[in-house]
Amino acid sequence: DAGVTQSPTHLIKTRGQQVTLRCSPKSGHDTVSWYQQALGQGPQFIFQYYEEEERQRGNFPDRFSGHQFPNYSSELNVNALLLGDSALYLCASSPWSGEGYTFGSGTRLTVV
Amino acid sequence: AQKVTQAQTEISVVEKEDVTLDCVYETRDTTYYLFWYKQPPSGELVFLIRRNSFDEQNEISGRYSWNFQKSTSSFNFTITASQVVDSAVYFCALSGDGSSSNTGKLIFGQGTTLQVKP
Repeated sequence: DAGVTQSPTHLIKTRGQQVTLRCSPKSGHDTVSWYQQALGQGPQFIFQYYEEEERQRGNFPDRFSGHQFPNYSSELNVNALLLGDSALYLCASSPWSGEGYTFGSGTRLTVV
Repeated sequence: AQKVTQAQTEISVVEKEDVTLDCVYETRDTTYYLFWYKQPPSGELVFLIRRNSFDEQNEISGRYSWNFQKSTSSFNFTITASQVVDSAVYFCALSGDGSSSNTGKLIFGQGTTLQVKP
């Protein structure tokens, strides 16, 4: 049974560009959340998707947007990249009840 | 607002020592979940335990044990007879349960880096 799959694993982008990160949830999970983890910090909640809608959002600007597809997979889009967006981006899937969260290995984004 | 505090930034022990990682949380939810995750250098967050707020019974799993005290809003994690493979960053986290508006949103502490020396 596959866990959470994220792609790509590493990415280098130039300031001002746009990036799309992808996440496939664990089988049986219908809710996907995205987190940003800066170096030396704990993960910070970006947003959560359920039934193809954004259900909750953390304190992130509108440059961060997402999408959930009918098969529960999700994308995270970041526009107008800043150097400060460099981080590990983690995807977590869970049942809507929130009883358990499974994390992917993350995408390490470097903005130069 | 929800908040998780892990006051210990880094801990260094010698193999076979016992070590306790502290976690204090704040929430206005009457029911909630508490978690511990381990993050090895590879980056993936590895689930260790989930505790529902209405279950204050302490739990032991092999060399790992957790002490949940609702009265002091603490959820501490103890590793007995530590091993080099325990070296990692450990995160405590909080979320609402299905009845809370905070459901689905994990609030993490800053993490504690544990180094176990041989």
